[in-house]
Amino acid sequence: AQKVTQAQTEISVVEKEDVTLDCVYETRDTTYYLFWYKQPPSGELVFLIRRNSFDEQNEISGRYSWNFQKSTSSFNFTITASQVVDSAVYFCALSEGSGGSNYKLTFGKGTLLTVNP
Amino acid sequence: GAGVSQSPSNKVTEKGKDVELRCDPISGHTALYWYRQSLGQGLEFLIYFQGNSAPDKSGLPSDRFSAERTGGSVSTLTIQRTQQEDSAVYLCASSRRAQGEWGTEAFFGQGTRLTVV
Repeated sequence: AQKVTQAQTEISVVEKEDVTLDCVYETRDTTYYLFWYKQPPSGELVFLIRRNSFDEQNEISGRYSWNFQKSTSSFNFTITASQVVDSAVYFCALSEGSGGSNYKLTFGKGTLLTVNP
Repeated sequence: GAGVSQSPSNKVTEKGKDVELRCDPISGHTALYWYRQSLGQGLEFLIYFQGNSAPDKSGLPSDRFSAERTGGSVSTLTIQRTQQEDSAVYLCASSRRAQGEWGTEAFFGQGTRLTVV
């Protein structure tokens, strides 16, 4: 069975600090996708990134970066120079590529990030 | 519309009453999903539609829950004889995912917050 663990329930930082959100996943599949979503107070889940299991290159998008390491089954998310607007709940998610349920997202419990001015 | 639209945004109902939650997906998205977000359980998959058919209803917690989709567009999630444990945020998502395709990102609505009193 697939599982996503976000060990950090809550993180609080001061503006301009860097912060890393951890995500560890479990799957028996060799092909899978990993996702990060942001959930601001308004409630909708905002898609941030998708990585497939064949591509271990790290990705940077502005102040956001993602570190995918298959050896440790981790897909960590770093926000550089955090801002108050980054305050939200962040979810890591997994979908398996093979089999009949590759449309289904398995989410971690989420990490509440609070960025204080 | 530009995004996934859900209505109502908030619903308070008395225990034992039936409720209907509505989802308008992004135009042209063939896949539609319902998830439930509650404090104790996190984000849970409920049901997946491809067009008007639901190949996977495995996440529906009981036979009090049902969903339909018409015209390959609007979906309604119905909960009969509501119980207090049904209180949660119900999130709808849609994607361009074709049958058998995997890894397409899902776009989420803002959810319906259901409170059963």
